[in-house]
Amino acid sequence: AQSVTQLDSQVPVFEEAPVELRCNYSSSVSVYLFWYVQYPNQGLQLLLKYLSGSTLVKGINGFEAEFNKSQTSFHLRKPSVHISDTAEYFCAVSDQFKAAGNKLTFGGGTRVLVKP
Amino acid sequence: SQTIHQWPATLVQPVGSPLSLECTVEGTSNPNLYWYRQAAGRGLQLLFYSVGIGQISSEVPQNLSASRPQDRQFILSSKKLLLSDSGFYLCACGQGSPRNIQYFGAGTRLSVL
Repeated sequence: AQSVTQLDSQVPVFEEAPVELRCNYSSSVSVYLFWYVQYPNQGLQLLLKYLSGSTLVKGINGFEAEFNKSQTSFHLRKPSVHISDTAEYFCAVSDQFKAAGNKLTFGGGTRVLVKP
Repeated sequence: SQTIHQWPATLVQPVGSPLSLECTVEGTSNPNLYWYRQAAGRGLQLLFYSVGIGQISSEVPQNLSASRPQDRQFILSSKKLLLSDSGFYLCACGQGSPRNIQYFGAGTRLSVL
């Protein structure tokens, strides 16, 4: 079984400051990794994904994440946040080889509040 | 690219009433389809998934059921709603390679009173 831990439930940050959202996972097999963003009362939007190759992944809206296999982490970063980045962020993992359903396991989410 | 439609956007239902939420997908064929629930202040819980017409897998025992009568249609139902069924219901679609990449609809906010 897989699990995902998002270490911070809430992250307050000032506008134009950098932000890092931490994600650690547990799995006995190779995985795909994802970050999603959810704005209030909306569905989830895919920010970025790691499937293979370079461990530094760039996504939309200036976000990037780094896959660290030895530390089983996939932390999300943005060098300078905007008010519009206020949202909830979810880290997710999926087994690369298990065909049944290709399901995602989500972390509990991190609420980012950007202050002016 | 695929588009996922969910309706209604919001719904207020009395306890004991039936429920039918619909999800349809455009721009793809033979997708995996998923129903999630997000209770207030909590993460996402996978309720059902489907890898094809008529094929439904349930992830948690509950008061809800799902059906997939057509390739790109996924329906979430209940015969009698409970207060605990309140939440934000999200439909997702997995397609392409790998199918693990899921795209989400805008969701339905259900309040059971």
